[in-house]
Amino acid sequence: DAGVIQSPRHEVTEMGQEVTLRCKPISGHDYLFWYRQTMMRGLELLIYFNNNVPIDDSGMPEDRFSAKMPNASFSTLKIQPSEPRDSAVYFCASSFGGRIAEAFFGQGTRLTVV
Amino acid sequence: AQSVTQPDIHITVSEGASLELRCNYSYGATPYLFWYVQSPGQGLQLLLKYFSGDTLVQGIKGFEAEFKRSQSSFNLRKPSVHWSDAAEYFCAVGAVGNDMRFGAGTRLTVKP
Repeated sequence: DAGVIQSPRHEVTEMGQEVTLRCKPISGHDYLFWYRQTMMRGLELLIYFNNNVPIDDSGMPEDRFSAKMPNASFSTLKIQPSEPRDSAVYFCASSFGGRIAEAFFGQGTRLTVV
Repeated sequence: AQSVTQPDIHITVSEGASLELRCNYSYGATPYLFWYVQSPGQGLQLLLKYFSGDTLVQGIKGFEAEFKRSQSSFNLRKPSVHWSDAAEYFCAVGAVGNDMRFGAGTRLTVKP
């Protein structure tokens, strides 16, 4: 397996624009996590899915953030409208068997909102 | 409250020297413990994990960690550091019924 695949690797967008981050988890994994990493706040869990169903989105900072998982092999994290303070590295991770099982991380998407 | 603390933000060691990165946690339940490494521009990679059993666990790349329940610690060690070990290291803790929480990370610099 190629591991968790995220796209794009880098995204630069203007404030107010919609941004969509994409993730393909490892085949067979039943949990998918979206994290945000910043210098100030470290690694924060935004939302996670189990068997494509959102379980806990309490980490999503605002209503501008939304995430979907239409099938077992694809998830998106959308920010609309984007703001400069959303600039961060966004990681997708997947695991099998539990939310505290070993998580496999993608390489991340570095988002810059100008 | 559940928390994970990595007291050292940045550590510098000479190549060939030993390394110990500290991790302390506060959890109400029996914890599951992890150490991850993040190289620049990369995602996190699991080094090792502890769920139960022998409190000294071996991981990849020559790392080991010891779970000390009495000290609520799970420190990461390596007897001889290589230049390629320069990275950021994250301790993570989880428990049944709770999410996994990550520490703030420790950045390791290796001097030639």
